[in-house]
Amino acid sequence: EAAVTQSPRNKVTVTGGNVTLSCRQTNSHNYMYWYRQDTGHGLRLIHYSYGAGNLQIGDVPDGYKATRTTQEDFFLLLELASPSQTSLYFCASSGRDFANTGQLYFGEGSKLTVL
Amino acid sequence: GEQVEQLPSSLIVQEGASVLINCSYTDSASVYFPWYKQEPGKRLQFIIDIRSNMERKQNQRLTLLFDKKTKHLSLHITATQPGDSAIYFCSAREGNTRKLIFGLGTTLQVQP
Repeated sequence: EAAVTQSPRNKVTVTGGNVTLSCRQTNSHNYMYWYRQDTGHGLRLIHYSYGAGNLQIGDVPDGYKATRTTQEDFFLLLELASPSQTSLYFCASSGRDFANTGQLYFGEGSKLTVL
Repeated sequence: GEQVEQLPSSLIVQEGASVLINCSYTDSASVYFPWYKQEPGKRLQFIIDIRSNMERKQNQRLTLLFDKKTKHLSLHITATQPGDSAIYFCSAREGNTRKLIFGLGTTLQVQP
């Protein structure tokens, strides 16, 4: 099974703070994604990437930067955190089977609270 | 872009009952429709998918029905168990992209 690990699992910061969420996948998948999950909104795509150095804009990118440093590592950056960014963040990856199934492999989530 | 709606938002059933979760989408170009399950405090896990050239797909106690004409899907879970308690998400792959658009989820609670 695909292994996607996220850190930190829990983070509390203050408004205006700087936060980096990390994600690593060890299954040689080309694509990686950052989603946020909020009650009443489901999962919404923030950014995604198809390889090191690549970044694609998702559906809710405002206030977020992301960087894919290697095939394994994808980071989500909040440079001036706001309370509206309090959420549960999921990283995911996809490989060749996505073409036939749409299957994503998710991490365990990072809960971010912005006070 | 694609929009996915899911109903009901929550269900409470007794163990052994069957449940039906409905999902609709808007973009006729969408081809793949994976479903995910999220147990409390856990990551989302892929459980079943269907392609738009199919009408039905079954995986053990899960049956997925698809109606291309009405842009409607339904997930049928039979003989529910407490371990089925989770949030179930319908999703649609947007066109030929790598993006999945998710519904808001259906929270299922199976009482023993």
